[in-house]
Parts: sequence; C-alpha cells; structure tokens
Amino acid sequence: QQQVKQSPQSLIVQKGGISIINCAYENTAFDYFPWYQQFPGKGPALLIAIRPDVSEKKEGRFTISFNKSAKQFSLHIMDSQPGDSATYFCAAIHSGGGADGLTFGKGTHLIIQP
Amino acid sequence: ETGVTQSPTHLIKTRGQQVTLRCSSQSGHNTVSWYQQALGQGPQFIFQYYREEENGRGNFPPRFSGLQFPNYSSELNVNALELDDSALYLCASSFPGTQETQYFGPGTRLLVL
Repeated sequence: QQQVKQSPQSLIVQKGGISIINCAYENTAFDYFPWYQQFPGKGPALLIAIRPDVSEKKEGRFTISFNKSAKQFSLHIMDSQPGDSATYFCAAIHSGGGADGLTFGKGTHLIIQP
Repeated sequence: ETGVTQSPTHLIKTRGQQVTLRCSSQSGHNTVSWYQQALGQGPQFIFQYYREEENGRGNFPPRFSGLQFPNYSSELNVNALELDDSALYLCASSFPGTQETQYFGPGTRLLVL
C-alpha cells in the first residue's frame, strides 16, 4: 500500500531554533520527494524537493536529508522565524510510474514562537 | 507569468447536487492534477489530465469526473454530492515531462449541506 507517514503532528520551536519534520515511506518505487508549505486558506506551495541519488539538498534555510536504506527523509528549517509558522507536508511520487499523483503525509503544524 | 488559478474560491451545495470546479494551469504547463484535501489532512490524488485525456486516477468513485481543454485549463465535476465531499479541492499543474513537480492553485472550498 502506498503510504507516507509524517511526524510530529504538531511542533513548537523558539525563534532562531531548528525545526525538524520527519517522513517515512513504504513504496520503494517512489523516486521524487517534495516538501510543501501551506498557510491557512491557501494552496500548498512547493518548498524543496529531493531525488534518491543524493543524501542531502539545501536551499537557503531549508535542508532535506534523505536515507534511502531506511526509507526516511526529513526537513530541517534552520534559524526558524515566525513567518515559517505554517503546515508542512511531505510527499512522494514515482515519476516514471504513469500518473499516480503525489502521495502526501498528514502534515505537521509548525508554530515558531517569537 | 501567472500561477495556477481556480474558481470559485468558495461554494455551498446541498446533498445530491452536482458541482463544477475550474482550474487554469500555469503558463507553459500541460498536465493538470486534482486533489481533495479534507480538513486537517493531506491532499489526496483524484486524477490527472494530459493532452485532454485522463491518464491516472486515485481511489475516487466515477461520480468524480473531469475535463481538460486545448488551452490546458481543466474542470472537476462531482455528481450526487455527499456530505463527505466537503473539502478543499486543489488543482496542480506541471511542465511537460516533469509531472512530478506540481504547482498548486489556491483551491476551492466546497461545503455540502
């Protein structure tokens, strides 16, 4: 069964701290792993994505770490700011598997306290 | 360059009615996917359209149907609405050859009473 498990469900981090969100997947055919940021009343916005041929990808304050053998990946937000307060979703897809669509985790509600 | 747009933003329907939601894809994108996001949940894949044909579908019944037009815009139609259809409906578009990299619109909030 295609499934992506995300944790924690909610997270409170002090301003300037590191926010860490974890995801695990089951389908080894998945080969593209994006993270989305969603603010209330808005659609998800693509934040950063990784493919399994690399173990880490960094864009500004956002870093994805990927562990292919453990089938896990995580999002790190460095120097977290109040404006980062949002719901974050990990997702996965088999890009060569036709049109299966993205499989999403259940989301992490992140609050950055000033 | 404009992003993905959706209309209407909000909609209220009663059980048993039919609804049509619309999506305009981002400039240069030829693939459109639709997702349903229930409150407090992640989006769930409904189906994808490419070259005006459905080329992939998630675990949704046939009363969920769609269309894609020559300008790559798309419609989602839901017949015989049920209370559980109340959700945020999201449209996402992709560049040719990179259907995995999807850019979402703001969504349509549907309430079924």
